[in-house]
Amino acid sequence: GENVEQHPSTLSVQEGDSAVIKCTYSDSASNYFPWYKQELGKRPQLIIDIRSNVGEKKDQRIAVTLNKTAKHFSLHITETQPEDSAVYFCAARGRGRRALTFGSGTRLQVQP
Amino acid sequence: DVKVTQSSRYLVKRTGEKVFLECVQDMDHENMFWYRQDPGLGLRLIYFSYDVKMKEKGDIPEGYSVSREKKERFSLILESASTNQTSMYLCASSSPIEAGQGHEQYFGPGTRLTVT
Repeated sequence: GENVEQHPSTLSVQEGDSAVIKCTYSDSASNYFPWYKQELGKRPQLIIDIRSNVGEKKDQRIAVTLNKTAKHFSLHITETQPEDSAVYFCAARGRGRRALTFGSGTRLQVQP
Repeated sequence: DVKVTQSSRYLVKRTGEKVFLECVQDMDHENMFWYRQDPGLGLRLIYFSYDVKMKEKGDIPEGYSVSREKKERFSLILESASTNQTSMYLCASSSPIEAGQGHEQYFGPGTRLTVT
């Protein structure tokens, strides 16, 4: 089955700096890669996703890049703000599979 | 607005008890999922269901079973609770996954289960 590894496990940045979270996956047939954000005490929510036919996707201050050859994808947050502080999860879905495999999560702390 | 609700936010049970966790969604989603969330381990899939009475094992099904008698309701059952099942349990639902497409999973608020 699919295996997703996520790094780093914790990340602390100053407000206004950029943050990058990286994930690798094992199944070369995986074709869908979402990112979820979970604020303290709340449920995870989808913030951005990318499909295997696209190399990069942006939505305001967040972007995701995908390198299919190397089997890794990354979340980039620019101009970080305190409200970006949360746990971020990457995930991957193998071709023909119904379920996602999640990474272990990254706790991002933005220092004001 | 999608709503996924779970029967309890906090639950304390004793070792050996049978435990039922219920999840209800109001968006007519075909897919429903149960995860457990533990620090440093992320979200691990226990079971999922893609239709009424249909289920598939996830990555950590041991010690758990599920039931889906109605489309909107998905239950997780711990037949004999053990202390290593103390965790946060999250339910999620999504619309069908078509070939080459991915669909957002909507999560419930979670149930923090403590087994003593």
